[in-house]
Amino acid sequence: RKEVEQDPGPFNVPEGATVAFNCTYSNSASQSFFWYRQDCRKEPKLLMSVYSSGNEDGRFTAQLNRASQYISLLIRDSKLSDSATYLCVVNTPPDNYGQNFVFGPGTRLSVLP
Amino acid sequence: EPEVTQTPSHQVTQMGQEVILRCVPISNHLYFYWYRQILGQKVEFLVSFYNNEISEKSEIFDDQFSVERPDGSNFTLKIRSTKLEDSAMYFCASSDGLANYEQFFGPGTRLTVL
Repeated sequence: RKEVEQDPGPFNVPEGATVAFNCTYSNSASQSFFWYRQDCRKEPKLLMSVYSSGNEDGRFTAQLNRASQYISLLIRDSKLSDSATYLCVVNTPPDNYGQNFVFGPGTRLSVLP
Repeated sequence: EPEVTQTPSHQVTQMGQEVILRCVPISNHLYFYWYRQILGQKVEFLVSFYNNEISEKSEIFDDQFSVERPDGSNFTLKIRSTKLEDSAMYFCASSDGLANYEQFFGPGTRLTVL
């Protein structure tokens, strides 16, 4: 089983739509979780960390379910500028110390006018 | 807003040659990383560096690779004898160790090995 798996995509949605991305991780010892976005041929940019209580930043809401080893990202009222690949990132430090960031394969989103 | 910078943006080299990729992390950050992304594939961790030594490395980071922090600002990745399969985008990242070690990435160096 792959360490971090995401919806294969691509997602093509109209402007204003709500879109949800799903991510699962295999290691129950994983400690921290993030969503990054990556535009074509650019670097990953941090979108938000994901906390157990869930967190929201404007139109973006992230949820974490440790029991199911599942992370989600919801984008409301999608904009053309949201078009990108969304990367789920899981930190599973070896020996509970340090960092081991594992990236998912990403889900591509295209927001259409 | 402080940012990670990388040079060069594109490096073309012949197979077997040595390359050095350079990064300037965000100035108050203490943790430094290298990742690579082969075209069309996912981002892969190479190495993390803290307190002037390697803290973690992946299976990809074999004896052909080395990292160094030669002064107070630069962080370099050296590939001693490049192979065709080393062609990829190489990203440097840094973290201040707070907020779950959130990492901030540089714009990357595209390495092409001919």
